[in-house]
Amino acid sequence: DVKVTQSSRYLVKRTGEKVFLECVQDMDHENMFWYRQDPGLGLRLIYFSYDVKMKEKGDIPEGYSVSREKKERFSLILESASTNQTSMYLCASSSALGQVETQYFGPGTRLLVL
Amino acid sequence: GNSVTQMEGPVTLSEEAFLTINCTYTATGYPSLFWYVQYPGEGLQLLLKATKADDKGSNKGFEATYRKETTSFHLEKGSVQVSDSAVYFCALNPGGYQKVTFGTGTKLQVIP
Repeated sequence: DVKVTQSSRYLVKRTGEKVFLECVQDMDHENMFWYRQDPGLGLRLIYFSYDVKMKEKGDIPEGYSVSREKKERFSLILESASTNQTSMYLCASSSALGQVETQYFGPGTRLLVL
Repeated sequence: GNSVTQMEGPVTLSEEAFLTINCTYTATGYPSLFWYVQYPGEGLQLLLKATKADDKGSNKGFEATYRKETTSFHLEKGSVQVSDSAVYFCALNPGGYQKVTFGTGTKLQVIP
């Protein structure tokens, strides 16, 4: 069974802290994605990666960075957390970049920045 | 650029009512279209998809038909259950290195 796991379901951090969100997939997928989900805005793509050590900016990369040192793991880093980064963060993976490909999502990390 | 427009929610229905959630899109080329569902406290999961014009995707009693002439992919179910209460996202995937575009989501609440 397909599985994407995220390191935390809930996180509370202080403004200015460096925050790491981890995502691991066990499907040997090439592609991994980080989204944030906000009410009324749907899902917005932060970064994605189509191979180890490769990364591409999405729609809202400012204030974020990513790391993909191993195929199964994709980390999202908030360099200096701010209150406007309070959100639900969703990780996803897919096997290829073809248009028929389904994305598989983790359960999400709800981050609160105080 | 590509875009997906979904009807505003929340949608509240009684059990066994008929459901329609509208979705229209704009895209160049021939994208695939998807409906994802997010149950409370969970991530998104694929509900159904259609990869070309006139295709019908179906799953768990839900259906949607890829209508290229009206650029629509409306989600329907004949008789909803309380367990269908969730947020539904329409999405398009143009393929290649282009990103998947999601709609803003429609929350469905089914009351007994």
